[in-house]
Amino acid sequence: KNQVEQSPQSLIILEGKNCTLQCNYTVSPFSNLRWYKQDTGRGPVSLTIMTFSENTKSNGRYTATLDADTKQSSLHITASQLSDSASYICVVRGAGSYQLTFGKGTKLSVIP
Amino acid sequence: DVKVTQSSRYLVKRTGEKVFLECVQDMDHENMFWYRQDPGLGLRLIYFSYDVKMKEKGDIPEGYSVSREKKERFSLILESASTNQTSMYLCASSGSGSAGFGTGELFFGEGSRLTVL
Repeated sequence: KNQVEQSPQSLIILEGKNCTLQCNYTVSPFSNLRWYKQDTGRGPVSLTIMTFSENTKSNGRYTATLDADTKQSSLHITASQLSDSASYICVVRGAGSYQLTFGKGTKLSVIP
Repeated sequence: DVKVTQSSRYLVKRTGEKVFLECVQDMDHENMFWYRQDPGLGLRLIYFSYDVKMKEKGDIPEGYSVSREKKERFSLILESASTNQTSMYLCASSGSGSAGFGTGELFFGEGSRLTVL
């Protein structure tokens, strides 16, 4: 069964600090992996997409990595801001399929 | 700016009532989806549609039905609401691209929080 596991479930960090969120998946064959950011009470918004051939991709202060061999991805947030407080959801798509497998998300709280 | 609009942000209904949740997208996307989101369970797919008048069951279709009469509009219907359907409902759309479901990027609406008493 395809699964996506995210860790930690929740995280509290001080403003200005860095953090890393983890995503492990069992989806096979693999097509791509997306990280979404969901602000409280809003719909998720895509931050970045990782395909099989990509190891690292940056979007401002967000950097995603992918290790397709170990089926792991991480999202690194640099110099966190209060506006980074949100849930971050990892979503994996299987190759040749419409199926998307969602992680349960990591809830990040950035405090002053 | 691309947009997926859900008709109601907050609804309160009574057990047994019929509930309609409407979703409209302005991106000319072929694919539309309804998810529910519950704490600790993440997003779960209820139904999706890849064309007008077409629908496919997702992971948790029981107690729900859908309607897609026009390309831009996808409705979720709760025929007889129950308390266990209290949840956040999220509509999403995506383009097809060359691979049927494109790159898989979903564009979400703001969500409809339904409370069934």
